[in-house]
Amino acid sequence: ILNVEQSPQSLHVQEGDSTNFTCSFPSSNFYALHWYRWETAKSPEALFVMTLNGDEKKKGRISATLNTKEGYSYLYIKGSQPEDSATYLCAPASVVSDKVIFGPGTSLSVIP
Amino acid sequence: EAQVTQNPRYLITVTGKKLTVTCSQNMNHEYMSWYRQDPGLGLRQIYYSMNVEVTDKGDVPEGYKVSRKEKRNFPLILESPSPNQTSLYFCASSTRGGSPYGYTFGSGTRLTVV
Repeated sequence: ILNVEQSPQSLHVQEGDSTNFTCSFPSSNFYALHWYRWETAKSPEALFVMTLNGDEKKKGRISATLNTKEGYSYLYIKGSQPEDSATYLCAPASVVSDKVIFGPGTSLSVIP
Repeated sequence: EAQVTQNPRYLITVTGKKLTVTCSQNMNHEYMSWYRQDPGLGLRQIYYSMNVEVTDKGDVPEGYKVSRKEKRNFPLILESPSPNQTSLYFCASSTRGGSPYGYTFGSGTRLTVV
């Protein structure tokens, strides 16, 4: 079983602050790393999928990096806005099972 | 529009009364999966399907059944629902399980078993 950890569990920031959070996973048997954004009362929505060590993806003010050798990924949000408030899930995929395992998520609240 | 359609959105039922939650995708995806979300526990996989007629248990399969007779449909069946199956359920699909394209989720079904 792929053990996925995300930190912090929750985060409260002021509008305009930049923030980042971490996803940790076993580096062996790694295949791909997904990031999802999950707003309250909606369904999770894919943000990024990364497969290569050193990969960096960007979507507007949100970016993510991947280190497959040490088994972690960072998600960064620059200049947080209230609409960024959501739970952010990471989900690594294992070559053994060929499916993703969702982490517990980081809940972000951006205070206007 | 590419989407995963789940029905119903909300359901209240009584213990022991069989129910089915439907899931349909229009993206010709091979992989489909069911999850339940409970407070403090994140998304837990119930069952998944790699392709037509191929299904397998996830992490919490007890009390659930699925079928995959056609590529587009993956219904979740609760033969005899119990109150501990009260939860928020999501169906998701993808080109493959470890897909480089991400999963597409349905809008969710909030089930209450009394």
